[in-house]
Amino acid sequence: DAMVIQNPRYQVTQFGKPVTLSCSQTLNHNVMYWYQQKSSQAPKLLFHYYDKDFNNEADTPDNFQSRRPNTSFCFLDIRSPGLGDAAMYLCATSGGSLSQETQYFGPGTRLLVL
Amino acid sequence: AQSVTQLGSHVSVSEGALVLLRCNYSSSVPPYLFWYVQYPNQGLQLLLKYTSAATLVKGINGFEAEFKKSETSFHLTKPSAHMSDAAEYFCAVSDQAGGFKTIFGAGTRLFVKA
Repeated sequence: DAMVIQNPRYQVTQFGKPVTLSCSQTLNHNVMYWYQQKSSQAPKLLFHYYDKDFNNEADTPDNFQSRRPNTSFCFLDIRSPGLGDAAMYLCATSGGSLSQETQYFGPGTRLLVL
Repeated sequence: AQSVTQLGSHVSVSEGALVLLRCNYSSSVPPYLFWYVQYPNQGLQLLLKYTSAATLVKGINGFEAEFKKSETSFHLTKPSAHMSDAAEYFCAVSDQAGGFKTIFGAGTRLFVKA
């Protein structure tokens, strides 16, 4: 089945230690998104790629970076995680000829910062 | 600018009772409207979407929603709640004018009592 895959599902890191979360998709969608979701809150968009074009949200901290080496993969890099960065990180995709407006989500990676 | 308001952060129903989750939206152009469900420690799963076809939209798991332009509403209903429906539900809006950026409501947690 076509899908959005996130690895790992749970990630533990130390305060200030760089961490990378990964997302892959088999939908061949041209847009990929990264969201941060804290407990009992709506997902908050960090940035998205439209093909290779990177679009950062104005309020996304510089501590968060992203890479998209090809259509299928997208990475979220947190350069120096703080305690406040502990959250669920969701990857989503959209695109294709019939569903540009609809986002499809992966299962998420829950990040714990010690 | 688009916005979404979900009335009620928590809704509790008895098993077998009607489920009604309320959503009102704001959009300057014809919107795309979505309901997503999120189970604990999972990503968002698309329940249903409105894309300017039929105003009554049927989704998965017996849910449906009706688009009412005059009321700017897109309420989610299910005739008979099941224990497995207990989850967080997010209403969302996007439109072409906004580049298909998805705006989420704050979410409604549904509790189902035995």
